[in-house]
Amino acid sequence: QVQLVQSGADVQKPGASVKVSCQASGYTFTGFYLHWVRQAPGQGLEWMGWINPNSGRTKYEQKFQGRITMTRDMSINAVFMEVSRLTSEDTATYYCVRALQGFAPGALGHWGQGTRVTV
Amino acid sequence: SFVLTQPPSVSVVPGQTARITCGGNSIGSKIVNWYQQKPGQAPLLVVHDDSDRPSGIPERFSGSNSGNTATLTISRVEAGDEADYYCQLWDSSGGHLYVFGPGTKVTVL
Repeated sequence: QVQLVQSGADVQKPGASVKVSCQASGYTFTGFYLHWVRQAPGQGLEWMGWINPNSGRTKYEQKFQGRITMTRDMSINAVFMEVSRLTSEDTATYYCVRALQGFAPGALGHWGQGTRVTV
Repeated sequence: SFVLTQPPSVSVVPGQTARITCGGNSIGSKIVNWYQQKPGQAPLLVVHDDSDRPSGIPERFSGSNSGNTATLTISRVEAGDEADYYCQLWDSSGGHLYVFGPGTKVTVL
């Protein structure tokens, strides 16, 4: 079965960076977009961007461009997201999410357990 | 950019039907997905492509989308359906590519 296992909770100071990892298993890693979605405490869901694990190409939400970097390591079936210049507004749970259907810009089918980042 | 609206809350008696709306300008021309999120858990996809259910999701969950409103319908509501529900769509024309609604809290009385 599809599994996305994320790194543990992290605490950072304002101005610092954080890097969250997501280990994928149970499917062909290079066959599906992996997205990052975040949720501030008590708030709704916010899409941050996606990475194509096959090509490494990325697409970021406009508001995060220049401040986030998504990468992948095909040797270990993992993706990473680094957020720089952190502020208190970046305090949130960050989810790694696999697309339901390959590389179609559609539904977010499988979610990781979330990584709580506190700034 | 595309803006989605949802009622903040919906209350329903067990066994009855809950309808959660998601409003947006000509949303019927878009493909809408729905997610359920219980406290302390990651979201779960319950309806995709307007009206399809992923495997494992009960038939009690159904979706429709037309005009300016998409609707998630939960039939024969159970206590375990109490959760936040979010609609979401992909909008290639705007600056925000993946758009989520603000969410609706479903309370089972």
